[in-house]
Amino acid sequence: GAVVSQHPSRVICKSGTSVKIECRSLDFQATTMFWYRQFPKKSLMLMATSNEGSKATYEQGVEKDKFLINHASLTLSTLTVTSAHPEDSSFYICSARSYQETQYFGPGTRLLVL
Amino acid sequence: AQKITQTQPGMFVQEKEAVTLDCTYDTSDQSYGLFWYKQPSSGEMIFLIYQGSYDEQNATEGRYSLNFQKARKSANLVISASQLGDSAMYFCAMREGNQAGTALIFGKGTTLSVSS
Repeated sequence: GAVVSQHPSRVICKSGTSVKIECRSLDFQATTMFWYRQFPKKSLMLMATSNEGSKATYEQGVEKDKFLINHASLTLSTLTVTSAHPEDSSFYICSARSYQETQYFGPGTRLLVL
Repeated sequence: AQKITQTQPGMFVQEKEAVTLDCTYDTSDQSYGLFWYKQPSSGEMIFLIYQGSYDEQNATEGRYSLNFQKARKSANLVISASQLGDSAMYFCAMREGNQAGTALIFGKGTTLSVSS
């Protein structure tokens, strides 16, 4: 199946710093990518839809100034958590839809803010 | 109202037995897609099976089959001949419509434990 990569897989940072997470579709072009957040033993919650060449669409309750999304090319979307705080600690997963029906997910990024 | 409902927080099954994970959905769209994903403790989301709303036959992928009952709006996942490696969290998800920009909506998940 299609492959989506995510980097880094794990990051620990100090409160107040910014963290950038990259999501790449390796063998297909994705005009749209999605960013999800997941707390332990909970479901995936959609944060935003990332559109290549245009602004991201954020879900209600998600601060767009806090979670900056950039979709610079058809294979790369980035999520930057700005001025991270401990409550931002979570598992962040991106996904992209290939030319087929299936939506593929990256391996996820575990963020721990101290 | 929840779009995707998974009523079983946890399920237990013995190796080599079959198990059914329940999923019901709610949508007024005629075109939609239903997905099942497996999430082991590593966190990666592994795609298992897909069923389109217009597909007349139930989807099958190896040991996985989707029992699609459109009138009842249910899309249960059947895992035949369970293996220890099947122990994981399983999510049912739906995409309403068929546009590329539509995200998946997830259920709360079911934790499956397979014992020897």
